[in-house]
Amino acid sequence: SQTIHQWPATLVQPVGSPLSLECTVEGTSNPNLYWYRQAAGRGLQLLFYSVGIGQISSEVPQNLSASRPQDRQFILSSKKLLLSDSGFYLCAWSLTGTGNTIYFGEGSWLTVV
Amino acid sequence: AQSVTQLGSHVSVSEGALVLLRCNYSSSVPPYLFWYVQYPNQGLQLLLKYTTGATLVKGINGFEAEFKKSETSFHLTKPSAHMSDAAEYFCAVRSSGGSYIPTFGRGTSLIVHP
Repeated sequence: SQTIHQWPATLVQPVGSPLSLECTVEGTSNPNLYWYRQAAGRGLQLLFYSVGIGQISSEVPQNLSASRPQDRQFILSSKKLLLSDSGFYLCAWSLTGTGNTIYFGEGSWLTVV
Repeated sequence: AQSVTQLGSHVSVSEGALVLLRCNYSSSVPPYLFWYVQYPNQGLQLLLKYTTGATLVKGINGFEAEFKKSETSFHLTKPSAHMSDAAEYFCAVRSSGGSYIPTFGRGTSLIVHP
């Protein structure tokens, strides 16, 4: 069966510091991968998605970036965090095809102080 | 284009009462529809989905939803609420033949009173 893991689960970072959140999927090949953000009391915001290694699409302009160095690895990064980057970050994956379910990781809480 | 509207950011019910969470969508082509549940500090978990076929879809934890094309709705119901059902619920739509990126509603927080 397929599983998705993301880490760290929580982190507190000072403004201006770098960020790296990692996500890996096991048990499948060539998945579509996604990064979402959930701010307090708000819905899901799609940040990035990827259909293959090195292929990243950005949904919103911001100081975050994403990379996919391996087929089942998806990394969310920032060179300098802002206070507004605080939130709950969710990695997700799906098989190719519009009817396929998106499966979510456990989430990472980021607090920028 | 596709969109999802969840009516009511908060729904409050008593334990044992009927749960009804509303979701309306718009899609120019036949949609795929999903309901997810999110417990505090966790990721989203699939409750149920509609792709094709039977319009009444049964999911986990006693939830079900009915796809009504004429009303462009996919409301989520459960006959009897449990305290453990208290969570955030998200409706999502994907348009068949279109972008594989789903559109999520803003979520409805279900509060269950003893």
